[in-house]
Amino acid sequence: GNSVTQMEGPVTLSEEAFLTINCTYTATGYPSLFWYVQYPGEGLQLLLKATKADDKGSNKGFEATYRKETTSFHLEKGSVQVSDSAVYFCALSEINFNKFYFGSGTKLNVKP
Amino acid sequence: SAVISQKPSRDICQRGTSLTIQCQVDSQVTMMFWYRQQPGQSLTLIATANQGSEATYESGFVIDKFPISRPNLTFSTLTVSNMSPEDSSIYLCSVEGDRGRYEQFFGPGTRLTVL
Repeated sequence: GNSVTQMEGPVTLSEEAFLTINCTYTATGYPSLFWYVQYPGEGLQLLLKATKADDKGSNKGFEATYRKETTSFHLEKGSVQVSDSAVYFCALSEINFNKFYFGSGTKLNVKP
Repeated sequence: SAVISQKPSRDICQRGTSLTIQCQVDSQVTMMFWYRQQPGQSLTLIATANQGSEATYESGFVIDKFPISRPNLTFSTLTVSNMSPEDSSIYLCSVEGDRGRYEQFFGPGTRLTVL
């Protein structure tokens, strides 16, 4: 079946630190991979995506590379800001089924 | 991207009552989705709603507990029936992205607390 596993939080970093949030997946087909972000009190927003192996998604300084050999899609940012404090969800979607599977979410706290 | 609104944004309800959540989209969409996010947990798909047909429910969710309406291409409702404290969650609707089945856009969610 399909599933997404991401590292447990919370993750607490100082401003300008390097961020990595690990995400691995299991899929029966050829999924697209996503990172969504949920700021306090808000709904989910698409942060970035990759639709095939070796694609790199990037947005707002965040990036993630679709690694088929390791079934991973780790989220990285070189220098985090306080405004990046949020919950980050890794997700996959199999095109033919139009169905999303979400990881458990990782809460990021960035301290000034 | 679609702009999605939900009503109410939050509610506190008594056990045994029902609540209907509305989801409005600013453009016509074929598929709308309803998710539940229990406290501290991830999102779980409840059902997929296409206009003009019965909603398709995921394993563990039934129409009697979560009836869904989809009267047109911009609107849907989810009712949480005969509520219990275990139904306390955030309920989110989402829609398919413009470019096909590669992404979904989410509403702000409805935070439900059942006493």
